[in-house]
Amino acid sequence: EIVMTQSPATLSVSPGERATLSCRASQSVSNNLAWYQQRPGQAPRLLIYGAVTRATGIPVRFSGSGSGTEFTLTISSLQSEDFAVYYCQHYNNWPPWTFGQGTKVEIK
Amino acid sequence: EVQLVQSGAEVKRPGESLKISCEASGYSFVTYWIAWVRQMPGEGLEWMGAIYPGDSDTRYSPSFQGQVTISADKSINTAYLQWNSLKASDTAMYYCATGPGRLDYWGQGTLVTVSS
Repeated sequence: EIVMTQSPATLSVSPGERATLSCRASQSVSNNLAWYQQRPGQAPRLLIYGAVTRATGIPVRFSGSGSGTEFTLTISSLQSEDFAVYYCQHYNNWPPWTFGQGTKVEIK
Repeated sequence: EVQLVQSGAEVKRPGESLKISCEASGYSFVTYWIAWVRQMPGEGLEWMGAIYPGDSDTRYSPSFQGQVTISADKSINTAYLQWNSLKASDTAMYYCATGPGRLDYWGQGTLVTVSS
C-alpha cells in the first residue's frame, strides 16, 4: 500500500497571503494525484486532479504541481472560505488508493 | 446532475450488524468506482475500499480487509457498506464517493454511532 505523507500538519496564514501545502508518496504515483478541501461539517470536495488540473468550478487561485512522489498545492491569495483541511489522495494503478493525513489551514 | 444520497444516521450496540447504503443518480452507475471513506471524530479521511459496479470487482485497504463488506446492486444503482459485528471504534462518519479513481462526487455522509 502506498503511504501518502502531508506537511505541515497545520499551516497558519493571514488572509491574502500564499499557502503552500506538500504531499509525498512512498513510491511513484505518476500524476495520479488529487487534492480535496474539507470545510467543517461538510463532505470533502475535489479541487485538483491529475496533479495539476482544477476540477470544475474551482477558482484559479488554487493550483497543483508535481509528479512522481512530490506534489504541491498552492493557494495564491487566501480567502476566508479557504480556511479548511486539505487532503491529497493517490489513485495510481489499482486500488487501494490512500489519503494523506491532511493539512489544516488556519487563520494567523 | 450527479448525486450520491446516503442512508440516514444509525445508532447501534456493539456486536450488532449494520448495512448502510449509497444511491447514485445522474451518471452511468457501472462506469466509475464507488469508494467508501471513513472519518472518525476529529480525524482525517481513510480510504476503506471500493467497488466497480460494472463487474463487481471489489478492493479493500489492508486496514479494512475482513472488517467490512462492500457490495453493489446495479439494478437499483446502489452501493452498500456492511458490518457483521460492530465495535465502539466503528463510530465515525462514512462517506461514499465516486469517480475514475479520483473522487469527483461525494455523498452527504452517514454518521454511525456504536455505543452500549
